[in-house]
Amino acid sequence: QVQLVQSGAEVKKPGASVKVSCKASGYTFTTYQIHWLRQAPGQGLQWMGIMNPGGGTTSYGHRFQGRFTMTRDTSTSTVYMELSSLRSEDTAMYYCARKRDSGSYFDSWGQGTQVTVSS
Amino acid sequence: DIVMTQSPDSLAVSLGERATINCKSSQSILYSSNNKNYLAWYQQKSGQPPKLLTYWASTRESGVPDRFSGSGSGTDFTLTISSLQAEDVAIYYCQQYYGTPYTFGQGTKLEIK
Repeated sequence: QVQLVQSGAEVKKPGASVKVSCKASGYTFTTYQIHWLRQAPGQGLQWMGIMNPGGGTTSYGHRFQGRFTMTRDTSTSTVYMELSSLRSEDTAMYYCARKRDSGSYFDSWGQGTQVTVSS
Repeated sequence: DIVMTQSPDSLAVSLGERATINCKSSQSILYSSNNKNYLAWYQQKSGQPPKLLTYWASTRESGVPDRFSGSGSGTDFTLTISSLQAEDVAIYYCQQYYGTPYTFGQGTKLEIK
């Protein structure tokens, strides 16, 4: 079955960077886009960007351009997201999710990675 | 950005009764070339990631109970739970995927009355 397994929780200081991984299994990794989203405590969902694992191309949400980077390692079927210049407002649960179809809805989600930014 | 607005923010319904959640987009999310509405609904239970319920506004995801149904077109959409079960307690979100940035409604918290 399709599985997305994310790396563990992180605590970072303001100004630092964080890198979160998302390991895919149960399907052909290069066939489906992986998206990143986040959810601040008690808040709704915010879409961040897209990684196309096949060609490595990316598209970033305008709110995150400049300090958000996505990469992938096809040998391990893993997508990474890195967020730099962290501030307290970046404290959130970060999710990777798979887009299955021609529409960008998400049929499988990682379990989430809690990133806490605190001095 | 397309703004998605859900109503109500919270809802309490008796077991076995119907629950209705509304979602309105700030512009039409009906793509005229294929006549599809670019809208999905998700259920998020406490401490879990969201779970896909419906897509293309009304197509139920495999494995989702048939008491869940989506409807609507253009800018106005509805998620209906025909007979509320205890396990349906959750926050429900609509999402538009008509254009980036993909955006979500603020969520509707569904509880048992």
